[in-house]
Parts: sequence; C-alpha cells; structure tokens
Amino acid sequence: NAGVTQTPKFRVLKTGQSMTLLCAQDMNHEYMYWYRQDPGMGLRLIHYSVGEGTTAKGEVPDGYNVSRLKKQNFLLGLESAAPSQTSVYFCASSFPTGGTDTQYFGPGTRLTVL
Amino acid sequence: LAKTTQPISMDSYEGQEVNITCSHNNIATNDYITWYQQFPSQGPRFIIQGYKTKVTNEVASLFIPADRKSSTLSLPRVSLSDTAVYYCLVGGTGGFKTIFGAGTRLFVKA
Repeated sequence: NAGVTQTPKFRVLKTGQSMTLLCAQDMNHEYMYWYRQDPGMGLRLIHYSVGEGTTAKGEVPDGYNVSRLKKQNFLLGLESAAPSQTSVYFCASSFPTGGTDTQYFGPGTRLTVL
Repeated sequence: LAKTTQPISMDSYEGQEVNITCSHNNIATNDYITWYQQFPSQGPRFIIQGYKTKVTNEVASLFIPADRKSSTLSLPRVSLSDTAVYYCLVGGTGGFKTIFGAGTRLFVKA
C-alpha cells in the first residue's frame, strides 16, 4: 500500500514551458487535491476533485488545469510556466466519513521555473 | 470557510509538554477540528481530530472547550523529532472546506 505518490519529485522549467504533475493514490479515495506551498507559508488549495470525471477550482487556480480521468489519478498541468509558479506542490486524497475526513498527502514535487 | 489563528512559533525543551492553542471563532456547528504535522520537505501528516471535549491518541491530546471557539493540541514529553510545523484546520467533509494557515513552528531543543 503506497498511499499517495507524486511524479516527478523535482523539476526545473524555463518560463513558457509546459508540464504535467501526476498524483496517484491506491486507497480508493473519492476526493483528491492539489496544493502549493511557498517558502515559510501554509498550503494553498489549487484545484480539487470529489470524484472521477469532476474537478473544481480552489483558492489559487489561475495558471493551472487539472484532470481526473481515473479515480486513482489526479493530474495537474501548467500550460505556460511562470516564475511565480516556483513552489512545492503537494497532492492529497481523502475519503469522507461521518461529516469529516482525513487528508493523506504525497511527498511533494519541487518545481523551479527560471 | 472558518479561519484559524495560531502562534507563529514556539520553543520547547526535550521532555516537556507542549500546548499549542488555536483560535477559531467562526467555527460552524458541523465543523470538526483537525491537526496536522509537517516536517521539512514532507507533506503534512494527520495527528488528531475532534469535535468536542477531549480526544487522545498515541501521539497527542486535543482539548476543545464547550464553546468550541478554540482548541489546544497537547504533545506530551516532546523530543527533538517533534520539531515541525503544526497546522490547525476547521471544517467539514472535504479539504476544500478547510484552510491551511501558516501553522505553528515548534522547535524542540536539547
């Protein structure tokens, strides 16, 4: 049981390049999330999904797109990377029970945009 | 979305009990209180969750007063390995209903 995994772990992009971050979970969780964390700050929600085929915007969605074609995978895309998107990206998943849920996080992807 | 207020940082020594208080004045009736721990270069990890009164697990205790406008995470006998950032979240089902604030940086000294 690997939990939540993220690919890649590190990436350096030039301004204007595109890339896709992959998140996979093997816990059969319904909900999945993408966060970004800038140095010394908390996590900010980019996009989330409450089920296969559905996505929604979070707090900071501009410049990102997501897709959830399979229940276990949640992809985060950057179409035209900008230096302001330099950050650590975390994926998480959760399964709602009894009015609440617990998020399980991946190890993160450290992205640098030059 | 209920916002939370925590101290920015705290220092402690090994073996001491550490209490981190979180203020959440706008907590809703159905909201739960959840605490996460984050080590450098890692994703946050769930510590404890509660709705009211007291919850205890093998890692920590969570104290919630009757008005639920605050909560206190208690870490018994901390060690150097407890040095981390601790986040208090308030919300219902779904992470999109909660906000990660800046957290509390706990530094445990020998």
